[in-house]
Amino acid sequence: DTGVSQNPRHKITKRGQNVTFRCDPISEHNRLYWYRQTLGQGPEFLTYFQNEAQLEKSRLLSDRFSAERPKGSFSTLEIQRTEQGDSAMYLCASSFMQGATDTQYFGPGTRLTVL
Amino acid sequence: DAKTTQPPSMDCAEGRAANLPCNHSTISGNEYVYWYRQIHSQGPQYIIHGLKNNETNEMASLIITEDRKSSTLILPHATLRDTAVYYCIVRVATNTGNQFYFGTGTSLTVIP
Repeated sequence: DTGVSQNPRHKITKRGQNVTFRCDPISEHNRLYWYRQTLGQGPEFLTYFQNEAQLEKSRLLSDRFSAERPKGSFSTLEIQRTEQGDSAMYLCASSFMQGATDTQYFGPGTRLTVL
Repeated sequence: DAKTTQPPSMDCAEGRAANLPCNHSTISGNEYVYWYRQIHSQGPQYIIHGLKNNETNEMASLIITEDRKSSTLILPHATLRDTAVYYCIVRVATNTGNQFYFGTGTSLTVIP
């Protein structure tokens, strides 16, 4: 399968713990996005990379959140000192800008539950 | 913030065409309309996109009005597997790239 993959698919943690999620984009895609989705809502943009550069961050991305894409391939999203309000689905998407086309393809998501 | 408005829910009989409307009255001239769908607990799936011309692919057709203020996604022969939340998105160009702003979408239920 050459689609976007995310690991783990599910994560249960206790409040105050740190968690890290991984996203592997489609191999030739240079753009990578992270979103958060809570129940009944559409995905909300968190941050965006072009190659290894983090070009945009939402105000939703508090200082407890950090994302990296060290070699311009896979990316990690870390949440420090998790809170119950961090419980959500975390989605990764990737795209390749070609002309005006920049279609994002999503992974299956990581569902985080903070107890 | 989402630039689109969609009805929260719709039903469609299996085998009939599903027509999902979307309003995007503040769309700018170079902003694309994208449609995605999300089946429960999965990531959003790309369906189709367009700028001003109507588009068709193996999944659906996209009809965009001449003034570009609204569009309709058409699933020509809905099946039970088309039951999902459908998101209409305006792709907004920023200084650093393109952003998708999702709304709450339309929950489509295909009825046997």
